[in-house]
Amino acid sequence: NAGVTQTPKFRVLKTGQSMTLLCAQDMNHEYMYWYRQDPGMGLRLIHYSVGEGTTAKGEVPDGYNVSRLKKQNFLLGLESAAPSQTSVYFCASRPSTDTQYFGPGTRLTVL
Amino acid sequence: TQLLEQSPQFLSIQEGENLTVYCNSSSVFSSLQWYRQEPGEGPVLLVTVVTGGEVKKLKRLTFQFGDARKDSSLHITAAQPGDTGLYLCAVFRGGADGLTFGKGTHLIIQP
Repeated sequence: NAGVTQTPKFRVLKTGQSMTLLCAQDMNHEYMYWYRQDPGMGLRLIHYSVGEGTTAKGEVPDGYNVSRLKKQNFLLGLESAAPSQTSVYFCASRPSTDTQYFGPGTRLTVL
Repeated sequence: TQLLEQSPQFLSIQEGENLTVYCNSSSVFSSLQWYRQEPGEGPVLLVTVVTGGEVKKLKRLTFQFGDARKDSSLHITAAQPGDTGLYLCAVFRGGADGLTFGKGTHLIIQP
């Protein structure tokens, strides 16, 4: 039981490049979330999903897209990366209870 | 305006001392959570408080939810270096939405 895993752990992009962050959970959780964490800003919700095939916008969705084609996977895409998207990205999942389980994070730098 | 205000932002104390950190808001919440985050890892849930005035203990950590359910405190007795980390309070945004976090208290316990 690996919990929530994220790939990659680190990535450096140039402005305008695209990439996809993968989040996988093996706990059969319905709900999945993407957050970003920035110094002095705390964690902010980007997008979330309440089940396979569904997605919804969070607090800071601009510049990101998501997909949940399989229940266990939640993908976060950056179509044209900008320096403002330099951050640490965390995925989380939860069952019907209130406990969210976070992954170890992906540290992204956009030059 | 930040929904959850955490104080102090930074705290560095000696091993064995006691400390209290705070999470305040002008809004009323049905529940509030505390997380601890260690460097390079995702947040881990410590406790959920639900009832106004509720006190929960987790070993040397004591969590209290304000009577009006607008604020919460975390008290650590006889702090140890292993308590070092970022302490975050969070509340649910509603429904299946994700969490809204405070900016956190960076705690360092020096041996």
